[in-house]
Amino acid sequence: AQSVAQPEDQVNVAEGNPLTVKCTYSVSGNPYLFWYVQYPNRGLQFLLKYITGDNLVKGSYGFEAEFNKSQTSFHLKKPSALVSDSALYFCAVRDDNSGYSTLTFGKGTMLLVSP
Amino acid sequence: DVKVTQSSRYLVKRTGEKVFLECVQDMDHENMFWYRQDPGLGLRLIYFSYDVKMKEKGDIPEGYSVSREKKERFSLILESASTNQTSMYLCASSWTLSNYGYTFGSGTRLTVV
Repeated sequence: AQSVAQPEDQVNVAEGNPLTVKCTYSVSGNPYLFWYVQYPNRGLQFLLKYITGDNLVKGSYGFEAEFNKSQTSFHLKKPSALVSDSALYFCAVRDDNSGYSTLTFGKGTMLLVSP
Repeated sequence: DVKVTQSSRYLVKRTGEKVFLECVQDMDHENMFWYRQDPGLGLRLIYFSYDVKMKEKGDIPEGYSVSREKKERFSLILESASTNQTSMYLCASSWTLSNYGYTFGSGTRLTVV
């Protein structure tokens, strides 16, 4: 079975500071990992993904994520936060051993960036 | 741009009503999904479909059914709406290849009174 955990319900950071949103996963095979962002009363928007290759993945809006196989983590990062980054962030995983293309999502982390 | 369109942004229905939530995608995706989103619980998979007329139960199918008569359309049906089905419902679609993510609709916020 595949699962993902986001240990923080909320992350607070001041504008201009670096931010990290944590994600850990569990799969039996190799993971396909995704980050999505959700603004209020909207659907989820794709930010970035890791399938294979470089452990550091760059995505939309200046976000990046680092895949760490030994720690089974895929933390989302940004060097300098903006107030407009405030939103709900979801990590998702798919096990390449699973039969269907279903993603399992974490519970989400609310990011609040203060001016 | 790929579009996934959910027919309603907000719905208010009465307990016991039969409710239809409609989702249409325009990218010829094989897979379509229905999730519900609740605070503190994240996204939970209700049903998904990997082909026309095919459906598979997700994690929380009880009280729901689905229909996929055409490739582009995936409907979620609440046979007899209950207050505990008040939630945000999200539709998504994807290619079959697992290295592609999902494209989501904007969501339908359903309130059952």
